[in-house]
Amino acid sequence: QQPVQSPQAVILREGEDAVINCSSSKALYSVHWYRQKHGEAPVFLMILLKGGEQKGHEKISASFNEKKQQSSLYLTASQLSYSGTYFCGTPGGANFGNEKLTFGTGTRLTIIP
Amino acid sequence: NAGVMQNPRHLVRRRGQEARLRCSPMKGHSHVYWYRQLPEEGLKFMVYLQKENIIDESGMPKERFSAEFPKEGPSILRIQQVVRGDSAAYFCASSPPGGRQYFGPGTRLTVT
Repeated sequence: QQPVQSPQAVILREGEDAVINCSSSKALYSVHWYRQKHGEAPVFLMILLKGGEQKGHEKISASFNEKKQQSSLYLTASQLSYSGTYFCGTPGGANFGNEKLTFGTGTRLTIIP
Repeated sequence: NAGVMQNPRHLVRRRGQEARLRCSPMKGHSHVYWYRQLPEEGLKFMVYLQKENIIDESGMPKERFSAEFPKEGPSILRIQQVVRGDSAAYFCASSPPGGRQYFGPGTRLTVT
């Protein structure tokens, strides 16, 4: 079943912060985050492999709560380049790699000057 | 190291024709995944292949769609007798054994 992301869309002014949530009805073993700009391929941001793990990428970080079957992506001091649609992806099993990803419903982020 | 390559980038077909989409994985990657993205929607898994083997085709429509990844050459996603509903962006991703997926630029199929 497809993970549900919230919010569906958000508009921010440059410099503001945002949180994007990804919730699954199934057990989560890992969460992959991607950003996709219109008409382009998804670009990998990060993978979270363990419950409670937090990782960071420039001003973008994420957390993973296995018990709640949730992951959250945090964007701080947003830049115009952060605009795009963010997807979380989850594999079906516990083995990292070599599995299909089921992508979430997506969150469209628009940053305005 | 060149990334995942897909061609053509844009493909226009009339209803009833065949579409062939090609994907060359990154060097050293033996796993290929195909995803479809309908306009304004998310990515939906179609098929996962390793060299000469289909590992998981649970997302492939039962008819008209097929995929292969031969020992030599690119992976091919083939759509026979295309219909308007097949219009979408088709993305290929590749990974090394046990590694994360790298996406190609996609092929945008338009059926007229």
